[in-house]
Amino acid sequence: EAGVAQSPRYKIIEKRQSVAFWCNPISGHATLYWYQQILGQGPKLLIQFQNNGVVDDSQLPKDRFSAERLKGVDSTLKIQPAKLEDSAVYLCASSWGEGPYNEQFFGPGTRLTVL
Amino acid sequence: AQSVAQPEDQVNVAEGNPLTVKCTYSVSGNPYLFWYVQYPNRGLQFLLKYITGDNLVKGSYGFEAEFNKSQTSFHLKKPSALVSDSALYFCAVRDMTGANNLFFGTGTRLTVIP
Repeated sequence: EAGVAQSPRYKIIEKRQSVAFWCNPISGHATLYWYQQILGQGPKLLIQFQNNGVVDDSQLPKDRFSAERLKGVDSTLKIQPAKLEDSAVYLCASSWGEGPYNEQFFGPGTRLTVL
Repeated sequence: AQSVAQPEDQVNVAEGNPLTVKCTYSVSGNPYLFWYVQYPNRGLQFLLKYITGDNLVKGSYGFEAEFNKSQTSFHLKKPSALVSDSALYFCAVRDMTGANNLFFGTGTRLTVIP
């Protein structure tokens, strides 16, 4: 079974530039998550999708971050414009369903450096 | 509000010795508890979870964890550490209502010394 795919693996941009990350979840997984992991911290949820609908985006900085999952499969997370404090690893995860007992399967992450 | 505490940033253990990585939690109501491991330049991998039932949960790679409701703890254990167990370990909690999402601790770096 293929795992969660993410691209790119690394990205370096200047502040105020835009960047987009892509995620393809495990086949059949209805729930998709985007997390931000700042160095030395645990992952923090940014947004959760159930199929192509948003379940929770309460911690997404909506003035600069956006995400979509148009066909209920792969997803894109965008930052526009980027700030220095956005430097982090962005992790995508998926699970069979949105039930709280479901374990999440994580991709390798995209390491973003904002200069 | 829910929270997770991993009181040790770093744990060192000799190969072959038992290891323990500590985790305490706070949720309103009953918890679902998870352990994940993160190897360098890789995403988090699921190790084990407590949902209900037996307080001792067995997971991948010989790891186990014990749920202790009175102490609100979910410590990760392994009887005999391997050098390949060296990694970053995260404890995570979610309340059973599902109203809140998975909340991670800050992680504990385990180093197994040959």
